[in-house]
Amino acid sequence: EAGVTQSPTHLIKTRGQQATLRCSPISGHTSVYWYQQALGLGLQFLLWYDEGEERNRGNFPPRFSGRQFPNYSSELNVNALELEDSALYLCASSGGRASNQPQHFGDGTRLSIL
Amino acid sequence: AQSVTQLGSHVSVSEGALVLLRCNYSSSVPPYLFWYVQYPNQGLQLLLKYTSAATLVKGINGFEAEFKKSETSFHLTKPSAHMSDAAEYFCAVSVWQGNLIFGKGTKLSVKP
Repeated sequence: EAGVTQSPTHLIKTRGQQATLRCSPISGHTSVYWYQQALGLGLQFLLWYDEGEERNRGNFPPRFSGRQFPNYSSELNVNALELEDSALYLCASSGGRASNQPQHFGDGTRLSIL
Repeated sequence: AQSVTQLGSHVSVSEGALVLLRCNYSSSVPPYLFWYVQYPNQGLQLLLKYTSAATLVKGINGFEAEFKKSETSFHLTKPSAHMSDAAEYFCAVSVWQGNLIFGKGTKLSVKP
């Protein structure tokens, strides 16, 4: 069974540009989560999608947005990139909305802002 | 509000020694708790989970954790460390809104 896959592995952008990160969940999983892992800030929750709808978002500005497609894959968009957006962005999927469902993570996209 | 505290940002043990990584949680409702491991340049791998069944939970790679409600703890242990256990370990609590709240992580070093 394929795990969570994320693309691209690395992404280099400059300030003010826009970035799009993609995630394919484990087959059969309907929930997708996005987390940011920035140096010194730990793992912070960004967004949660389930059945195509945004269910919850973390404490991030609106320039962080995303969507979930009918096949449950997801993309994260970051507009007007700032230097502090440099981080590892992790996508996770789970088999349902219940909070006892474990989340399974991909290997992440490392976003570097020059 | 739920939160997780991991005591010790760095832990160093000798190969073959006991591994003990500490995690305390704060939750107003019965929590669901998880331990994840992150190897360099990789994502997070689920080690084990507590979802209100047995209080002693066994995970992969010989790790286990014990849920102690009276101490609000969920410490991770392994009887004998291997060099391959060197990684960063994260304790997390699941909140009703769906996302995980992570501790700040503990980097485990294993000395030969």
